[in-house]
Amino acid sequence: EAGVAQSPRYKIIEKRQSVAFWCNPISGHATLYWYQQILGQGPKLLIQFQNNGVVDDSQLPKDRFSAERLKGVDSTLKIQPAKLEDSAVYLCASRSLQAMNTEAFFGQGTRLTVV
Amino acid sequence: KQEVTQIPAALSVPEGENLVLNCSFTDSAIYNLQWFRQDPGKGLTSLLLIQSSQREQTSGRLNASLDKSSGRSTLYIAASQPGDSATYLCAVKSRPYNFNKFYFGSGTKLNVKP
Repeated sequence: EAGVAQSPRYKIIEKRQSVAFWCNPISGHATLYWYQQILGQGPKLLIQFQNNGVVDDSQLPKDRFSAERLKGVDSTLKIQPAKLEDSAVYLCASRSLQAMNTEAFFGQGTRLTVV
Repeated sequence: KQEVTQIPAALSVPEGENLVLNCSFTDSAIYNLQWFRQDPGKGLTSLLLIQSSQREQTSGRLNASLDKSSGRSTLYIAASQPGDSATYLCAVKSRPYNFNKFYFGSGTKLNVKP
């Protein structure tokens, strides 16, 4: 089966600019996650969707970050305006709900550098 | 809130050695625990998934164990190879009241020297 697709792979922007990342999960996966991974740290959950509804966005900096999954399939994560500390790899993952204890599958990530 | 810790943060071993990576978590009410591998600049590749009712899982040279009551998991790598060099992350999935959140450790960076 095709994996989780993310684009772009790399992005360099200046601080205060805006940026958007795109994720296409594995077909049929109802749960979609966006994680932020700062260099040397483990991934931190930003937002979790179940179909097109948000089930957890407690760690999303809502003053600058937004995410949507309008049709319950693809998702976009936006940062506006970006700060230097947003430099990180942004990982998208998806999981099936067909069984309670299924694996999560991750995309390659988008490496963001804010200068 | 679940806290996941991985020790050591970095490990360098000669090729052929058997090694153990450790993962500990503070809340034993988990659904499952998953070990991932991350190569530089890449996403996460799932290695092993252990359900809360299981004690271990094996895949090739990898063996992962889970002791839920003590909040620990280990990843055992037999006969290590230079190709095993990567960062290894463990992630714990919590019970439904957290809506199946994944909590990650900071990872162990492994270097296997030829």
